Amino acid sequence: EDQVTQSPEALRLQEGESSSLNCSYTVSGLRGLFWYRQDPGKGPEFLFTLYSAGEEKEKERLKATLTKKESFLHITAPKPEDSATYLCVIYGQNFVFGPGTRLSVLP
Amino acid sequence: DGGITQSPKYLFRKEGQNVTLSCEQNLNHDAMYWYRQDPGQGLRLIYYSQIVNDFQKGDIAEGYSVSREKKESFPLTVTSAQKNPTAFYLCAISQPGLNTEAFFGQGTRLTVV
Repeated sequence: EDQVTQSPEALRLQEGESSSLNCSYTVSGLRGLFWYRQDPGKGPEFLFTLYSAGEEKEKERLKATLTKKESFLHITAPKPEDSATYLCVIYGQNFVFGPGTRLSVLP
Repeated sequence: DGGITQSPKYLFRKEGQNVTLSCEQNLNHDAMYWYRQDPGQGLRLIYYSQIVNDFQKGDIAEGYSVSREKKESFPLTVTSAQKNPTAFYLCAISQPGLNTEAFFGQGTRLTVV
């Protein structure tokens, strides 16, 4: 059975304090791993797609990396507007969603 | 958002009542999905459809029904058989075989009153 776990469940950072979010997965036949950002009361917003181990994608202060068992979302010098829940999703037979990491960036 | 429209944004249901949530897309994507989101849990798949006039049950289909009569529309009906319908409902689309990522609507918050 395809599974996704994310850690930590919640993370509080000071503005400018870099950190990483973890996504661990098991899947039979990975067709893609995705990161989304979700603000309260809104639908998830697509950030990145990763297809193979060793791949990296960057967008502003965010960088996503992928290995055969996990993915990391690195946040460099975060700002308060980066506060959101970050969802990791794998695509094997279907989309399987992780529970998310709730990030709070304090000014 | 991004060509996906969910309506209404907020919906209130009385006990024993059926309600229908709308999901419309103008991106010509083949696959459409309905998910339910509860606090502290990952999104759970209710139904999905990969072509018109065909749909499949997801992990939590009991108490829900869907139709796919047109490519651009995938309405979800929450029936009275769904005993705990209060949740945030999200519709998503994807184009399998091309860009595999899913794009989401802005959601409908359903509350039982």
